[in-house]
Parts: sequence; C-alpha cells; structure tokens
Amino acid sequence: AQKVTQAQTEISVVEKEDVTLDCVYETRDTTYYLFWYKQPPSGELVFLIRRNSFDEQNEISGRYSWNFQKSTSSFNFTITASQVVDSAVYFCALLYMIYNQGGKLIFGQGTELSVKP
Amino acid sequence: GAVVSQHPSWVICKSGTSVKIECRSLDFQATTMFWYRQFPKQSLMLMATSNEGSKATYEQGVEKDKFLINHASLTLSTLTVTSAHPEDSSFYICSAPGTSGVNNEQFFGPGTRLTVL
Repeated sequence: AQKVTQAQTEISVVEKEDVTLDCVYETRDTTYYLFWYKQPPSGELVFLIRRNSFDEQNEISGRYSWNFQKSTSSFNFTITASQVVDSAVYFCALLYMIYNQGGKLIFGQGTELSVKP
Repeated sequence: GAVVSQHPSWVICKSGTSVKIECRSLDFQATTMFWYRQFPKQSLMLMATSNEGSKATYEQGVEKDKFLINHASLTLSTLTVTSAHPEDSSFYICSAPGTSGVNNEQFFGPGTRLTVL
C-alpha cells in the first residue's frame, strides 16, 4: 500500500529560525515521484519540488532545501531563515503508477507552519 | 507554464440542489484530470479520475451517482454534486498532468469552495 506520513501537524517558529518539515513515505514500487506543495490560506496549491525515485541528490532553491533518503524512505523539507510569508500548510505527496489507470497522487496529512514575527 | 482554472471559485447553495464545477486546462490539452476534495484542516483526497471520452474512475467510497463527472473535451472536465447536503461542503480541487504524461508535474486549479446550507 502507498502511504505518506507527515507526523508534524503544526509547527510554530519565530522569524529567521530554520525549520524542517518531515515526510516519510511507503511504497513497494521502484519508480515513483515525490512532491512538496505549499497551500497558503487562499487554498491554491503551489508546486515546490518534484523528485523521482532514482534521483537522490539533495536540492537547494534559495532558502528551501530538500533531503531525499531512500534508505529511510524520507523526503524532508527545510526552510532556512524562515519568514512570515512562509506561513502555510505544506503537503508532501507521492505519485505512483497503477496498471491501466495511470499515475495517482497521494498526499500526506499536511503540516501547518506558522512563522511569527 | 500550464494553467488550470476552476469555476466558480466559491458557491453557496441550498440543500437538495445540484452544483456544477468546471475545470479547464487553459493552454494545454488534458486527456486525464483529477478531482480532489479537501475538508477543513485535512488533506486532499482523490475522488475520481476524469478521462476524456470515457467514464470516470472513482475511488473507493466515492458515490458515482452523487458526484457526476463529465470530461467532454480535451480542456474541460465538470464535476456535478447532485442533491447536495451540508456534509458535501468542502474545497474541491482539480488537477491535470503536464503534457509529458502522468509522471510529470500535476497542475492544480485554484479550487472551488462549496458551502451547502
């Protein structure tokens, strides 16, 4: 069975602190994709990153960085020097293939990040 | 980048009425679209996969007769909530995979907030 777990329901930090959002996934597939999305109060999902299962290289994009470790089935997301504008709900998601049905996206429970000034 | 629109962005209706939500891919064609539902403070749950020219595929537990999906063209999928009740109040989001296939990034619409009185 496919599953994505974000154990942290809510995180509150003070501006300029670093914060890491955890994501653990389960799948028996060898080919899959992992995503992170940001959902601000408006509700619209904002795509942050996509990783395929064969690319374990960590990635940095400005203040954002991602650590993908297949050995622990984790795809953690770190925000460095957090800002108030980072306040949102963040979702980790797994895309896996189903025979004759294409790809399906399953989301974690989400982590609500609150960055206080 | 690829853009997906939804209409309306919000709707309030009386219990027992039907509501239609449109999902359009504005600058690309989508043979497949996905419909998600998100209750407050919860994750996105896939409801169904909309297939152009054929029947939609529903996830377990989703009532086909209540949530009618029509994918009439390569750029439009509609979700009709029939005989809506207050428990159907939710945030409905559609998505479409990029033109590279279902493995690629999914583009999400801005969502439709449905309130049933």
